[in-house]
Amino acid sequence: GAVVSQHPSWVICKSGTSVKIECRSLDFQATTMFWYRQFPKQSLMLMATSNEGSKATYEQGVEKDKFLINHASLTLSTLTVTSAHPEDSSFYICSASDRVNTGELFFGEGSRLTVL
Amino acid sequence: GQNIDQPTEMTATEGAIVQINCTYQTSGFNGLFWYQQHAGEAPTFLSYNVLDGLEEKGRFSSFLSRSKGYSYLLLKELQMKDSASYLCAVRNFNKFYFGSGTKLNVKP
Repeated sequence: GAVVSQHPSWVICKSGTSVKIECRSLDFQATTMFWYRQFPKQSLMLMATSNEGSKATYEQGVEKDKFLINHASLTLSTLTVTSAHPEDSSFYICSASDRVNTGELFFGEGSRLTVL
Repeated sequence: GQNIDQPTEMTATEGAIVQINCTYQTSGFNGLFWYQQHAGEAPTFLSYNVLDGLEEKGRFSSFLSRSKGYSYLLLKELQMKDSASYLCAVRNFNKFYFGSGTKLNVKP
């Protein structure tokens, strides 16, 4: 299957700082990537769709100025959590697909963010 | 809106068969997917249905009824390593929406 890599796996930061998470498709080109967040014992919530070369589209209730997404190339999307607060602590996972027919998603390893 | 429901938790015995149900009401439908997720890890793909009926892949099978907005994942010959969360996801155009997940506990 397609390989999606995410970095960093773990990050701890102070309240008020910004954190950048990278998502890379290693063996395919991804014009679209998806960012999810997952709170403990809950499912994945779609935050935004990252589109290569254009603005990301955000799901209802997700602050675009809070969660900045940049998809500058066909293999890299970044999510920046700006002015992080403890309530932003979560597991952030990116995903992409190279399957034209089924469109099944392949996920990165996830990034666990803890804001102190 | 998107509404995808699954039971929160299930327990089964090693070697047994378990069925995890999923019902959905979504504004669009382009396929139903099942993913497995171990604690602290990313989900991994298990199965995919876009037409009504049963899809079988080894110990795992998935069923879909589009008219009823219903799917189930069937796990046979349960093994201890099958203890995980199982996520039902509906694809709506190019977006995936996930249910809350079913935590499966497999006991010896």
